[in-house]
Amino acid sequence: EDQVTQSPEALRLQEGESSSLNCSYTVSGLRGLFWYRQDPGKGPEFLFTLYSAGEEKEKERLKATLTKKESFLHITAPKPEDSATYLCAVQASVDYGQNFVFGPGTRLSVLP
Amino acid sequence: GAGVSQTPSNKVTEKGKYVELRCDPISGHTALYWYRQSLGQGPEFLIYFQGTGAADDSGLPNDRFFAVRPEGSVSTLKIQRTERGDSAVYLCASSPGPRETQYFGPGTRLLVL
Repeated sequence: EDQVTQSPEALRLQEGESSSLNCSYTVSGLRGLFWYRQDPGKGPEFLFTLYSAGEEKEKERLKATLTKKESFLHITAPKPEDSATYLCAVQASVDYGQNFVFGPGTRLSVLP
Repeated sequence: GAGVSQTPSNKVTEKGKYVELRCDPISGHTALYWYRQSLGQGPEFLIYFQGTGAADDSGLPNDRFFAVRPEGSVSTLKIQRTERGDSAVYLCASSPGPRETQYFGPGTRLLVL
């Protein structure tokens, strides 16, 4: 069964204090790993897709990396507006499963 | 708008009642997904449509839940005989085709009293 775990469950940072969020997965053949940001009361907002080990994607202060067992979301010099829950999801490469399997998320708070 | 829209944004109902939740996907997207999200958890897959047909309904928890997409665009999630445990945020997502990035709507917050 495909599984996704995320750590830490919650993270509190001071503005400018860089850190990383972890997403560990077990999947029967990875087609893609997806990162989303979710603000309270809103739907998930797409950030990145990673397809193969060694791949990296960047957007502003965020950088996502992928290995064969986990992905990291690195946040450099975060600002208060980066506060949100960050979700990762995997999609298996088998034909039948089109859906994403999500982790529980990491709640990030960035204090001014 | 260009994004996925969902109506209503909030729904309060009584135990045992029937509810319908609507999803309007991004124009041209052939794939549509329903997820359910409980507080503090990630979204949980319910059902996937490719075009008009339900290609995968393995996530529907029981036969009280049903979804349709009759014309391959708008979808309706239907819940019969609602129970308090059905209270959650119901999210809809669409993608240009199967196995592509999914874009989510704002969700419908369902509260069953």
